[in-house]
Amino acid sequence: GQSLEQPSEVTAVEGAIVQINCTYQTSGFYGLSWYQQHDGGAPTFLSYNALDGLEETGRFSSFLSRSDSYGYLLLQELQMKDSASYFCAVRNSGNTPLVFGKGTRLSVIA
Amino acid sequence: DAGITQSPRYKITETGRQVTLMCHQTWSHSYMFWYRQDLGHGLRLIYYSAAADITDKGEVPDGYVVSRSKTENFPLTLESATRSQTSVYFCASSYGLAVSYEQYFGPGTRLTVT
Repeated sequence: GQSLEQPSEVTAVEGAIVQINCTYQTSGFYGLSWYQQHDGGAPTFLSYNALDGLEETGRFSSFLSRSDSYGYLLLQELQMKDSASYFCAVRNSGNTPLVFGKGTRLSVIA
Repeated sequence: DAGITQSPRYKITETGRQVTLMCHQTWSHSYMFWYRQDLGHGLRLIYYSAAADITDKGEVPDGYVVSRSKTENFPLTLESATRSQTSVYFCASSYGLAVSYEQYFGPGTRLTVT
């Protein structure tokens, strides 16, 4: 089987930094992705990690540790528009699609 | 316009009726996917397709049928709708399965089964 765990809700202050964690248990591992979804909208791709380490894309960074089966999404200089749900997703074999976590709802407050 | 579209955007149907949700993409992506999204469950894969005439089951395929006669279209049919199929349905497409390949999602179809 496979499972992904991420916090259901996180609240952070505008201008601050927030980290959204994702732990996974899978039979295999072929990479971790992050998607953002605003209320009423469609998910959109943010980043991916296939190898250990930190990937930076503007204010957003994503980290992966394959030995710990753990990753996180780091959002810096939070803005109100960052209020959304964030999903981690993993591929656990070479010919199967992503499996999504249940998502973390981020609320950015003033 | 280029992109991925879904129709209808909203649908109300009765229990037992057949309903088809349409998905169309203009990028010639090989892979297409159908997800359902319910509160507390995130995105769950129903079916996916690697190419025309190649489809495979996802996590929650029961009660759904798909076909893919053309690369650009991937309709999802609920043969006999049940209330438990009330959900938001997202279609997505991508070049491949690797995590480096972004999945592009359509705007979603909100389906209510009464």
